[in-house]
Amino acid sequence: GAGVSQSPSNKVTEKGKDVELRCDPISGHTALYWYRQRLGQGLEFLIYFQGNSAPDKSGLPSDRFSAERTGESVSTLTIQRTQQEDSAVYLCASSSQGPRGSSYNEQFFGPGTRLTVL
Amino acid sequence: KNQVEQSPQSLIILEGKNCTLQCNYTVSPFSNLRWYKQDTGRGPVSLTIMTFSENTKSNGRYTATLDADTKQSSLHITASQLSDSASYICVVSAMDDKIIFGKGTRLHILP
Repeated sequence: GAGVSQSPSNKVTEKGKDVELRCDPISGHTALYWYRQRLGQGLEFLIYFQGNSAPDKSGLPSDRFSAERTGESVSTLTIQRTQQEDSAVYLCASSSQGPRGSSYNEQFFGPGTRLTVL
Repeated sequence: KNQVEQSPQSLIILEGKNCTLQCNYTVSPFSNLRWYKQDTGRGPVSLTIMTFSENTKSNGRYTATLDADTKQSSLHITASQLSDSASYICVVSAMDDKIIFGKGTRLHILP
């Protein structure tokens, strides 16, 4: 596709339920990031995938959060036993090869999934 | 501690006017600094990127500056348009692969 896509665009769930968010990165991009953005706040790093390397999970806020990526394609972010504080927009971004600090690795963001936990 | 601070938190200006947004950072070792524009309901889009040796970078009506000595950056918007209404996010990357996001400046352009 032309850009990063995410689904669903909106998700409303009840407290305690599990949710799964999907990200389709730009074809050929080896790096994939998940971020959380609470209302009126900045982006909060969650997890980073780079090729076949072990993912950087240092940003995951609790063990209720997990993410997987199949090769260099689709990624899913799973939140188990959702809590009201999980309500936020979850953004996915992808970039081409190279370390995250490289000058040339622009992150291309998807439109996000707005999660509301009632 | 790696931090990126942006100011002001929000800004309202009239269409056609210029404005400047500020970004101060304490990220080390520094790799590069990007400014992103985030329209409401959308993901951020990169406007400019600057490395240590670059002092200024332009993208149309957007001009970013970087002072690596004082660890400050600014984003200047010339002749603002209604479509400039958005959040502008300063993002600093470190050599150790850390990426630190500022909380953004919310810009409102009034007709």
